[in-house]
Formats: sequence, structure tokens, C-alpha cells
Amino acid sequence: GQNIDQPTEMTATEGAIVQINCTYQTSGFNGLFWYQQHAGEAPTFLSYNVLDGLEEKGRFSSFLSRSKGYSYLLLKELQMKDSASYLCAVKDSNYQLIWGAGTKLIIKP
Amino acid sequence: GAVVSQHPSRVICKSGTSVKIECRSLDFQATTMFWYRQFPKQSLMLMATSNEGSKATYEQGVEKDKFLINHASLTLSTLTVTSAHPEDSSFYICSARDPGREVNEQFFGPGTRLTVL
Repeated sequence: GQNIDQPTEMTATEGAIVQINCTYQTSGFNGLFWYQQHAGEAPTFLSYNVLDGLEEKGRFSSFLSRSKGYSYLLLKELQMKDSASYLCAVKDSNYQLIWGAGTKLIIKP
Repeated sequence: GAVVSQHPSRVICKSGTSVKIECRSLDFQATTMFWYRQFPKQSLMLMATSNEGSKATYEQGVEKDKFLINHASLTLSTLTVTSAHPEDSSFYICSARDPGREVNEQFFGPGTRLTVL
């Protein structure tokens, strides 16, 4: 079966750094996405990785290791508005998106 | 660019009625749109893939006669929840891919919160 694992919830302090991990087992791989979803709202696209390595986009970075079936989203200089759920999604061999359950990130002052 | 709208944003209806939700790509043409359902504190669940000009592809366990999908144009897909029941109350979200973009990420509409009394 296809599976994506993320921690259910994480807590971090404003101004700090947090890393959200995602491991996956899918039938094929055609890219990994990270989305941010605030409560009661639709997800918004954050990042995309298809090759191994780190993609940096401002305060957010995403890393991929295809051999390990592993990705992480790194958030720096945390702000209160970063409190949200972060969804990891993998595109499989059929180009279908397989979604993780999401990680709820709580930022404390 | 790549904006997806959804209407209505909220709907409350009586059990047994039908509800239609519209999903529009405002600044691009989407040959494929996706319909998701999300229950509180759970992740997105793909219900069906809507293809312009052809029948939708439903995920296992989703009743196609209950959740009618029509994708009549390159910018509009509709989801009709027929004979709605309280257990259909959920957050329904559509998304679309912009074929002109390299990354091919999905852009989501703002969602429709359905409450069936």
C-alpha cells in the first residue's frame, strides 16, 4: 500500500527554527509537495522537490532524499502566522497525489 | 495567476436536499480538476478527478450517483451532493492544475463548508 507519515503535531517558539519530517512509501515517485493549510481554509502551495537536495524559498526550505523516501520542511524565524497544518504529498507513478495526514504546527510566543 | 474560486463558501441545507458547488479556474484553463473532502482534523481525501468533456473518475468508496460531477468547460467543474444527509457535512475543496506551469502543483479553491441538518 501507499503510505505517507508525518508527525501529528509539533510545537515551536516564535523566532526559532522547526523541521517537519515526512517519510513516504509509494508506487513510484514523480515529485513531492509541501502545502500549508490554516484552520478552515484551503491548502496553499509551499514547495516542490523532484530531485535530491535542498530547495530554499525565503524562510522556508524543503529537502528530499529519494533513496531514503524522506523529506523535511524547514521553517526559520518562526512567526505566529506560521501556526497551521503542513501537508506532505507525493505524486506516484500514475501522477496521482498521495496526501499525508498533515502536521499541526503550534507556535508559542 | 492560477486562481481557483469556489461557490458557495458555506451552505446549510436540510436532509434530503441537493447542493451544487461550483469550482472555477479564473485565469487559466484546467482540463483536469479535483474534488476533495476534508473532515475536521483529518487530511484531504480525494473524491474524484474531473475531466473536461468526459466522465469523472471516482475514488474507491465514493458513490458516483450521490456525488455528481460535471466538467462542462475548461474553467468550470461542479459537484452536486444529491439527497444530502448529516454525514455528508464536511469541507469540500476543489483544485486544478495549470498545464502552463512547469511544476504542475495543484491550486486550491477556498473550500465550501457544507452543513446538513
